[in-house]
Amino acid sequence: GAVVSQHPSWVICKSGTSVKIECRSLDFQATTMFWYRQFPKQSLMLMATSNEGSKATYEQGVEKDKFLINHASLTLSTLTVTSAHPEDSSFYICSAERGGANTGELFFGEGSRLTVL
Amino acid sequence: QKEVEQNSGPLSVPEGAIASLNCTYSDRGSQSFFWYRQYSGKSPELIMFIYSNGDKEDGRFTAQLNKASQYVSLLIRDSQPSDSATYLCAVNGASGTYKYIFGTGTRLKVLA
Repeated sequence: GAVVSQHPSWVICKSGTSVKIECRSLDFQATTMFWYRQFPKQSLMLMATSNEGSKATYEQGVEKDKFLINHASLTLSTLTVTSAHPEDSSFYICSAERGGANTGELFFGEGSRLTVL
Repeated sequence: QKEVEQNSGPLSVPEGAIASLNCTYSDRGSQSFFWYRQYSGKSPELIMFIYSNGDKEDGRFTAQLNKASQYVSLLIRDSQPSDSATYLCAVNGASGTYKYIFGTGTRLKVLA
């Protein structure tokens, strides 16, 4: 199956710093990637849809200036949490759909657990 | 009304029994339906997807879709303790959008 790699898998940072999370599709091209956050015992909440070569589409209530998304190539999307605060602590997961596959199947990264002190 | 609804559980079944997980969705325009399994602290992994009304079987898993009732289910036969996880229902393609909507998940516990 297709592989999506996410890095780092966990990060602890001080309040006010910025954290970048990378999402890579290792064996396929991903024209679209999705970023989710998940709080304990809750479902995945879509934050934004990342499209290669264009601006990300953010869901209602998600601050685009706080969660910067860059999808610079067909295999890499990054999420930067700027000026992180403790309430940003969460499990962030990316997913990608294989370009041209048309199956609708999402391949998920391993997730990144962010803890802001 | 939530777009994709699942009973949060936990649903407890004895080992070897059939586990039945249910999901309803609100948008009749939804095109495709997925079941993902998520172990605690891990990312979701795809179990099955279904597009057409009826049943789709894959090993111990059977997905059932009824678009008229806006209902999709997952049956797990011969449940094993390793099946204990949270099962997420996801719906895509609602109302012409290309967006995946996840349910809150049902926690399944298979008792040895």
